[in-house]
Amino acid sequence: QSALTQPASVSGSPGQSITISCTGTSSDVGGYNYVSWYQQYPGKAPKVMIYDVSNRPSGVSNRFSGSKSGNTASLTISGLQAEDEADYYCSSYLGSSTYVFGTGTKVTVL
Amino acid sequence: EVQLLESGGGLVQPGGSLRLSCAASAFTFSNYAMTWLRQAPGKGLEWVSTISGNGVGTYYADSVKGRFTISRDNSESTLYLQMNSLRAEDTAVYYCATRRYGRYFDSWGQGTLVTVSS
Repeated sequence: QSALTQPASVSGSPGQSITISCTGTSSDVGGYNYVSWYQQYPGKAPKVMIYDVSNRPSGVSNRFSGSKSGNTASLTISGLQAEDEADYYCSSYLGSSTYVFGTGTKVTVL
Repeated sequence: EVQLLESGGGLVQPGGSLRLSCAASAFTFSNYAMTWLRQAPGKGLEWVSTISGNGVGTYYADSVKGRFTISRDNSESTLYLQMNSLRAEDTAVYYCATRRYGRYFDSWGQGTLVTVSS
């Protein structure tokens, strides 16, 4: 199973909105509504930001939103803040308790 | 608050073995599937293995199948990963994570570093 494809980097100014794409196939992203997104600061463990394509766990800012169209999922961060500067990974369920992650995207706040 | 504490990482020679542990607390451990994931230095996340709550179902990434074994001791609320025939490409920070609410990983440990090198 190949990793899902994400842009290596995305940047934006404070207050702007950015979108990170996550492209897979009909066997992963396109086949299940079980895409999740994780935020990771350097040297820290990942934290789930979005699950089941578009749901936010309790405590996650509503500036984070997710969507999916076909084989591509997206994470949008609106009202970009300095604290959003981190690495972001998408993940898709593959069935039978197996998963695949994306290649990761570094978000830079200019 | 859920706590997951990994241990057992270290330096091992190629071909060697290592057993990782993940001590869990503040939730009913036996009710939930548990997962190991890893991240090579400067690289992305990789799912490694998942075990069902009762330990009957085990699932592995192709990259570790036949070399790694996941297990759990529900009486001790502890998850394990036995790693044999280690290779340089197994060098990574290994995280344990819970999957309590759906098909995603809701809580993660702080990770333990495994270095495979001669």
